[in-house]
Amino acid sequence: EVQLVESGGGLVQPGRSLRLSCAASGFTFDDYAMYWVRQAPGKGLEWVSGISWNSGAIGYADSVKGRFTISRDNAKNSLYLQMNSLRAEDTALYYCAKDLLYHYDILTGHMDVWGKGTTVTVSS
Amino acid sequence: QSALTQPASVSGSPGQSITISCTGTSSDVGSYNLVSWYQQHPGKAPKLMIYEGSKRPSGVSNRFSGSKSGNTASLTISGLQAEDEADYYCCSYAGSNTHVVFGGGTKLTVL
Repeated sequence: EVQLVESGGGLVQPGRSLRLSCAASGFTFDDYAMYWVRQAPGKGLEWVSGISWNSGAIGYADSVKGRFTISRDNAKNSLYLQMNSLRAEDTALYYCAKDLLYHYDILTGHMDVWGKGTTVTVSS
Repeated sequence: QSALTQPASVSGSPGQSITISCTGTSSDVGSYNLVSWYQQHPGKAPKLMIYEGSKRPSGVSNRFSGSKSGNTASLTISGLQAEDEADYYCCSYAGSNTHVVFGGGTKLTVL
């Protein structure tokens, strides 16, 4: 079964850091781009970051650029999001998602598998 | 990075057809055939319904169809069913600097 399981969320004070992880199983992880997408309470989906299958393409939303870093460890079938200088507006449910398309060198935004998400709350 | 523009809400009766629009720019929707559509029920993760503008992933009903004209993409749901009531989001590739942009979402109510 194809599965993504996020972890690492929690309550953190403004200005602090948090590292999210996403464990993938059931597919060949290093063949697909991966994404982080967030959803603030009662709000819509917001693309946060993505990394292509070979890490040749990496992108960030303007709202997190310079504060968040995406990475992947293909040997561990895992995706990460290092979040620094957290702000109240980063409070959201963070989803990990897999790209549908095989070996694309761009971040297509076609996300066919999603995890259940991990909640990040930034508050003092 | 401006979000794609979707209507906040649409509604229709069972059996009817509805269309949700998604307006972007020549930098995203208008330039690439990489528009996707997602369905999200309350408390659930999004589900991919359409990719590459008009293709359906395996298992998605053929009542769902996608199209594009200029800078506007559209999702049409025919033969509306109660289970189609959900939030719908469009998403587009937006070039190698911006990468990916979502629409603000549309709440579909089945009357």
